[in-house]
Amino acid sequence: AQSVTQPDIHITVSEGASLELRCNYSYGATPYLFWYVQSPGQGLQLLLKYFSGDTLVQGIKGFEAEFKRSQSSFNLRKPSVHWSDAAEYFCAVDSNYQLIWGAGTKLIIKP
Amino acid sequence: SQTIHQWPATLVQPVGSPLSLECTVEGTSNPNLYWYRQAAGRGLQLLFYSVGIGQISSEVPQNLSASRPQDRQFILSSKKLLLSDSGFYLCAWRWGGGNGYTFGSGTRLTVV
Repeated sequence: AQSVTQPDIHITVSEGASLELRCNYSYGATPYLFWYVQSPGQGLQLLLKYFSGDTLVQGIKGFEAEFKRSQSSFNLRKPSVHWSDAAEYFCAVDSNYQLIWGAGTKLIIKP
Repeated sequence: SQTIHQWPATLVQPVGSPLSLECTVEGTSNPNLYWYRQAAGRGLQLLFYSVGIGQISSEVPQNLSASRPQDRQFILSSKKLLLSDSGFYLCAWRWGGGNGYTFGSGTRLTVV
């Protein structure tokens, strides 16, 4: 069965430090992969997506993610986080007519 | 451009009362539409999806129902709310070809 795993429930980083949020998926075919961000009490905003081509994809707000088929991973990175990046981040894979979601990683920024 | 509207933003309802949450999409036709629920501190759970007028698929048995009376309208309902129905409800529509989903701004439902 298709699944998405985000192994880190919370991550705390200092402002200005680099960030990597992990995402592993289980999917039989070539996946369509997404990262969404949710600020408190808000809807979800698409950060970036992968469905073919270059395995390193650039998104909004300075985020990027790398698709590694051999590791079944799609980790999200940012070289230098800002306090405004504090939010919850969700990884998802598109399976037919629905998204399979990870449980989310809450990013906490230390001043 | 395509936009999605969801209302109300917040709602406090007593146990046993009915519910109607509405979602509409503009700028596209025949969208795939979705209702998700997000409980506090948890991920998203798909409740219903619809690929066309009058076509509703339910992912989990529950106290809720959905309807799609028009191409760009998707409604989430309940005849009698339970305390466990509290949560954050999100409507979404799916772009074609794996281009992703666009979410509404959500409705925070508190059943008291």
